[in-house]
Formats: sequence, C-alpha cells, structure tokens
Amino acid sequence: QKEVEQNSGPLSVPEGAIASLNCTYSDRGSQSFFWYRQYSGKSPELIMFIYSNGDKEDGRFTAQLNKASQYVSLLIRDSQPSDSATYLCAVNRKDETSGSRLTFGEGTQLTVNP
Amino acid sequence: KAGVTQTPRYLIKTRGQQVTLSCSPISGHRSVSWYQQTPGQGLQFLFEYFSETQRNKGNFPGRFSGRQFSNSRSEMNVSTLELGDSALYLCASSLIIGHPTYNEQFFGPGTRLTVL
Repeated sequence: QKEVEQNSGPLSVPEGAIASLNCTYSDRGSQSFFWYRQYSGKSPELIMFIYSNGDKEDGRFTAQLNKASQYVSLLIRDSQPSDSATYLCAVNRKDETSGSRLTFGEGTQLTVNP
Repeated sequence: KAGVTQTPRYLIKTRGQQVTLSCSPISGHRSVSWYQQTPGQGLQFLFEYFSETQRNKGNFPGRFSGRQFSNSRSEMNVSTLELGDSALYLCASSLIIGHPTYNEQFFGPGTRLTVL
C-alpha cells in the first residue's frame, strides 16, 4: 500500500464547475497536510495546508481533513482554465525524526475545459 | 522577498561523472530539503539540512550526499552518475517556527539533470 494515494486522473471539469481532488494516507502519525499545484515543466507551488480536522477555505480553494478516515481533499470552486495542472498531496508526520520530510502522492492531473 | 533559487537550471552529464547542485533558500529560512522527481517514482525525499546538520535522510544510496553552509545555502552531490539519476532535483526551504512538521515548504525552480 502506498503511503499517500490520490484519485487517479486525469480529471476533466468544465469551466465554472467544482473540481474535487482526493487523497488518502496510510500513516496515522501524519499530522500536517499540504496541497501543491504543479504546472507542466514547473516546480510545485504550495496552495493550501491543513492541520486540524474540518474545512479550511482560502479563496476558491477549500481543503478538508478527516484524520479518522485518513482522508484529505481539495475542492476548487469556479474552476478556471488556469487551474489546469497536476495537484500533489503531501503529508508530514510529527515525530522526533520527521523534520521537514514530506511524502507525496503521485498527483492528479486536472484539466479545466473552457 | 526573493524565492528559492537553484543553480544550474539544466545539466547534462555522462555516466560515471559526478555533479554538484546548489540551492539558496528564502532569506531567513534555515531548513533546506532536497527532492528527486521522476515520471516513474514521482517526488521522493532525499534529505533535509537544518543549521548545517543533516536532520533527515530518505532511501537513496550513499552516492547522494549534501551539505549546508552557515548562510543556509545548500549543495547536493551525486557521484558515479547512473542513467536512472536523470530527474528534476528540487530544493525546498522552510522557515521553521515551532515543530518542523507544521512548517510549509517552498520549492525552487529545480535543476533538470540528464545523464547520458
């Protein structure tokens, strides 16, 4: 079982729709969760992070965390063609040795069609 | 504030050679992490440096090494290059307030290494 799994893509949504990206993780010691966006040929860009159960909203983005179900998601409202990218879920656990060690999922490619 | 910078941006080497990549973190950031990204394996953690000490290391062979200087700049070195080392090498910096688990990491543009 992979440590971090994301819903298989590619995901295609029409402009203006809600895009839903999902991520599950296997390590119950995971404490912090990050969503990165990566455009083709570019490096990952941090868009959201969440530590506590529940929802966290930032503009058109909402991150949702459910530690009991080991599930984290990212919702993108009013999707725009510029949101077309690969979205990476990353987790970090809190222990003496973890430091700043992120474990990434394989990413979900999102395409927003005009 | 300037972002994370990495040099060089592109590099072509042949098998058996060694390579050194450089990373300058965001001003004030003391933690530097290195990752390898390939189409087959995705993003994988190499190691993290904080206050000139390697704090954490991923599952890579000893050919991969790194160091951090007193100004927080970091270098990673790959010796005896193999074809499979062709990848995008990404450096990420983090401010580190409180426990490092809760600190965001910001990536540089990466160094694209091609091994022929």
